[in-house]
Amino acid sequence: DADVTQTPRNRITKTGKRIMLECSQTKGHDRMYWYRQDPGLGLRLIYYSFDVKDINKGEISDGYSVSRQAQAKFSLSLESAIPNQTALYFCATSEGTPRGQFFGPGTRLTVL
Amino acid sequence: GESVGLHLPTLSVQEGDNSIINCAYSNSASDYFIWYKQESGKGPQFIIDIRSNMDKRQGQRVTVLLNKTVKHLSLQIAATQPGDSAVYFCAENIGQAGTALIFGKGTTLSVSS
Repeated sequence: DADVTQTPRNRITKTGKRIMLECSQTKGHDRMYWYRQDPGLGLRLIYYSFDVKDINKGEISDGYSVSRQAQAKFSLSLESAIPNQTALYFCATSEGTPRGQFFGPGTRLTVL
Repeated sequence: GESVGLHLPTLSVQEGDNSIINCAYSNSASDYFIWYKQESGKGPQFIIDIRSNMDKRQGQRVTVLLNKTVKHLSLQIAATQPGDSAVYFCAENIGQAGTALIFGKGTTLSVSS
């Protein structure tokens, strides 16, 4: 959906590099999420934020950090990328509850 | 381990058939469930949801059934079309408001003409 945008859509980087994935939304939702998707493993939650001043770790936060710059922006950083962080990354938003999360188109990240 | 899972990783049907995709969950505190559809190269798309105080909910060509006794959720797609080919995920929310959804591993539905 154009309501949730992610940049870049594809990224190839090298081990040890710092990389930032960005997410923007125009839905006016307070809650934003970062997920990682690996083949056969579904979606796993990395971090989530209920508002600008709220950041929470998800299931697999090690090796990642986030920043909620504004209600509409939530970025995910890999401080020192490693090959097993190669995956498809999705940003999502929701209103006051997690119901009906809206997902962005995803960022395909490859770490060599 | 996974709190939410699916019985079959793949399902192949003929166009026009009805499809049933199943999902088992283990947390009796889950109070809200969603089905998502993910097409190749795209993010998951909301299909239908159901609260734990309901047994059935219908949408356009889709029906979700919830059996809390056996902790089972299913998605029924009527008159399956080639455009229904995708990966389908069930997801659950545990507790009030919850923190975030827990997703199952997905079932790949293939529809042949």
